[in-house]
Amino acid sequence: EVQLVESGGVVIQPGGSLRLSCAASGFTFGEYTMHWVRHAPGKTLEWVSLISWDGGVTKYADSVKGRFTISRDNSKNSLYLEMNSLRTEDTAFYFCAKARIPVSGTSIDYWGQGTLVTVSS
Amino acid sequence: QSALTQPASVSGSPGQSITISCTGTSSDVGGYNYVSWYQQHPGKAPKLMIYDVNNRPSGVSNRFSGFKSGNTASLTISGLQAEDEADYYCSSYASSSTLVFGGGTKLTVL
Repeated sequence: EVQLVESGGVVIQPGGSLRLSCAASGFTFGEYTMHWVRHAPGKTLEWVSLISWDGGVTKYADSVKGRFTISRDNSKNSLYLEMNSLRTEDTAFYFCAKARIPVSGTSIDYWGQGTLVTVSS
Repeated sequence: QSALTQPASVSGSPGQSITISCTGTSSDVGGYNYVSWYQQHPGKAPKLMIYDVNNRPSGVSNRFSGFKSGNTASLTISGLQAEDEADYYCSSYASSSTLVFGGGTKLTVL
């Protein structure tokens, strides 16, 4: 059974930094592109970032480019999101998500339960 | 990276069919057969219902079906049931090798 468990969400002041983690199990983590998607309360889902199976390719939404960094450690079956210069508009549930087929990032099949990041003074 | 356009809400009575549209551009929906649909109940993670325009994952009811024409994709739910009441989101692969989501549609079963 695929399991994705996010952690690291907290209440943090604007301008602060935070690192989210996602522990994966139930599949061969090192073969799959992984994504971060966020959902702000009352708003729509927003794709945030992806990283290829080997970490060689990363992509970011314009809204987080230059502030967020995605990374992975295949030896630990873990995905990370380093978040810097946080803004109030970054407040959201952050979901770790698995690509549906190996190597490709064209769609997502499994999602974690999310971790809440609140940016507030 | 503009969001795909979905109606804010749709409704239907038990047993009826409803269709939710998802409109994008030739750089996303129209350019690739990688449209997915997700169901999200309050406080829960999204669940994949349709992938690659019209394919159902194992375990998803055949009451759910997908279609695409040009830059618009659609999700049809037939034989509406109370448990179908949820938010539904479309997503598409985009030319920038990223994903884009729709604004979400709240389905109310009357």
